[in-house]
Amino acid sequence: EAQVTQNPRYLITVTGKKLTVTCSQNMNHEYMSWYRQDPGLGLRQIYYSMNVEVTDKGDVPEGYKVSRKEKRNFPLILESPSPNQTSLYFCASSLRALYSNQPQHFGDGTRLSIL
Amino acid sequence: DAKTTQPPSMDCAEGRAANLPCNHSTISGNEYVYWYRQIHSQGPQYIIHGLKNNETNEMASLIITEDRKSSTLILPHATLRDTAVYYCIVRPPTGNQFYFGTGTSLTVIP
Repeated sequence: EAQVTQNPRYLITVTGKKLTVTCSQNMNHEYMSWYRQDPGLGLRQIYYSMNVEVTDKGDVPEGYKVSRKEKRNFPLILESPSPNQTSLYFCASSLRALYSNQPQHFGDGTRLSIL
Repeated sequence: DAKTTQPPSMDCAEGRAANLPCNHSTISGNEYVYWYRQIHSQGPQYIIHGLKNNETNEMASLIITEDRKSSTLILPHATLRDTAVYYCIVRPPTGNQFYFGTGTSLTVIP
């Protein structure tokens, strides 16, 4: 089954403790992206990746890192999480981004709480 | 990317057609109109997209005005499971970023 898988689905942690949210897709998609969703603000893009080893900032990249060493994986790293990063996070992928009108496929979300 | 304007909320009776409007008056000639929906806090789900012509698939129809400054998503026979937030997005085929906005919260009433 074609899907985007995020782990963990839920995480409660403390300020400053490094964490990684994994994202994996099995559709051989080139483009992957991370979003956060906060009440009243909708979905905002954090980082995206056009292909392996190619990443770029979205609208709200501060406090986050990403890597794209393999095509299928796109982890989101919070080196020193802070309470303002408490949010619902979504990973997404699409076949391509450039020169394409491909829709995105989303994971089920990761709810992070930073105390 | 062109900005979109959607009403914050709408109601629709079960079994009736739900017509969700979107204004994108600054849309450029090569920008597509996409619709996604998000049920509760699940991941957004792609519904449909189009450039100029009206489009239909198994989920919905998309009507784009001739001047492309607005569009309407039509759910022909709304069910309770269609209760969700619906996002209208415009972006060029070469764009790398997606701007979702805050969408329209559709409530289907029994």
